[in-house]
Amino acid sequence: GAGVSQSPSNKVTEKGKDVELRCDPISGHTALYWYRQSLGQGLEFLIYFQGNSAPDKSGLPSDRFSAERTGGSVSTLTIQRTQQEDSAVYLCASSLGDRGRSGYTFGSGTRLTVV
Amino acid sequence: AQSVTQLGSHVSVSEGALVLLRCNYSSSVPPYLFWYVQYPNQGLQLLLKYTSAATLVKGINGFEAEFKKSETSFHLTKPSAHMSDAAEYFCAVSSRGFQKLVFGTGTRLLVSP
Repeated sequence: GAGVSQSPSNKVTEKGKDVELRCDPISGHTALYWYRQSLGQGLEFLIYFQGNSAPDKSGLPSDRFSAERTGGSVSTLTIQRTQQEDSAVYLCASSLGDRGRSGYTFGSGTRLTVV
Repeated sequence: AQSVTQLGSHVSVSEGALVLLRCNYSSSVPPYLFWYVQYPNQGLQLLLKYTSAATLVKGINGFEAEFKKSETSFHLTKPSAHMSDAAEYFCAVSSRGFQKLVFGTGTRLLVSP
């Protein structure tokens, strides 16, 4: 597609429920990244994919968080047993995998609210 | 390891005044550097990037930034602020061997009439 698409744009869930956030990167972009943006916390790196592999998942906050990417395209970030501190905007970005020389493009994000 | 420091969580300017947003980076290898802008309730938009070509980089909306290796800085400037420039600005770095972008904590630019 023309840009990075994320769905849903907004998600309200009850504490303890599981949620899935979806990212559809730009066609041909081999690298995909998930970030979390919380109030007063800036942009926090979660995980990076090159193709379907995740060479760097160092930013995942706990084992409740997982992500996968299939077909070198769509990625899903899953949060199990959501907690209130998981409330944030989850941003996805994609690039050609050249450290950003050709640019990282961000989606509009999914705003997750855990009540 | 890489890191970015943005001095000043808030910067206030008058319309028509010079905009200067400061960014210092730390990287053990030559970096790529970026400035992104985020308007309320929107995603991040790339303003400009430095990828080891010209040290003075021009971006969209009249912004530019200069890479100064000796000062490990990549400050963002605009000669004359416009009301529409009010937003949050993020500086970020990526380095060889580190594919991910590391962001600064952001600077909120406020523009008054």
